[in-house]
Amino acid sequence: GIQVEQSPPDLILQEGANSTLRCNFSDSVNNLQWFHQNPWGQLINLFYIPSGTKQNGRLSATTVATERYSLLYISSSQTTDSGVYFCAVGPAGAQKLVFGQGTRLTINP
Amino acid sequence: GAGVSQSPSNKVTEKGKDVELRCDPISGHTALYWYRQSLGQGLEFLIYFQGNSAPDKSGLPSDRFSAERTGGSVSTLTIQRTQQEDSAVYLCASSPNAEAFFGQGTRLTVV
Repeated sequence: GIQVEQSPPDLILQEGANSTLRCNFSDSVNNLQWFHQNPWGQLINLFYIPSGTKQNGRLSATTVATERYSLLYISSSQTTDSGVYFCAVGPAGAQKLVFGQGTRLTINP
Repeated sequence: GAGVSQSPSNKVTEKGKDVELRCDPISGHTALYWYRQSLGQGLEFLIYFQGNSAPDKSGLPSDRFSAERTGGSVSTLTIQRTQQEDSAVYLCASSPNAEAFFGQGTRLTVV
């Protein structure tokens, strides 16, 4: 089955810093989503981005489907950005979402 | 509008007992997923429903696990003869097309 690798596994930054999270996947996909899991366990939708670039405030994402990767950018980090960021992909021809292991982001004041 | 609703939020059960977990999807969403997240881990796919099609059960870990979706809406995940390794957060998601939206999960603890 498809493999999804996220890097780095852990990231510790000071408030105000910028960060880039990466998601590599091993096969063609027709769906890609980024989620933020907050400290209470809720998965918050950040982007639905099977291809192209999107921006929402301080966050933006780019997916290059032909090269099988996606990037999530967080600018001017705030302590509320802390949590685990998951990339999930939908393999071509399948309906389920396959999740990476996540990047744990810690923003210190 | 209302999001995906799961109940109960927390469930503690004795080893060997059966449990039922409920998911109310967002109205109008035709697809419904169940996932399991063990402590500190990623999300493990369990089962997928789409409309009236046969569900994709490829992620169910054993025959103790089953799920149904009645009337294309509410879904119930049943775990029979629970084991300690079944302890996890069980997450449900629904989707109108491709983008999935998750509920808050049910934390299951088997003692």
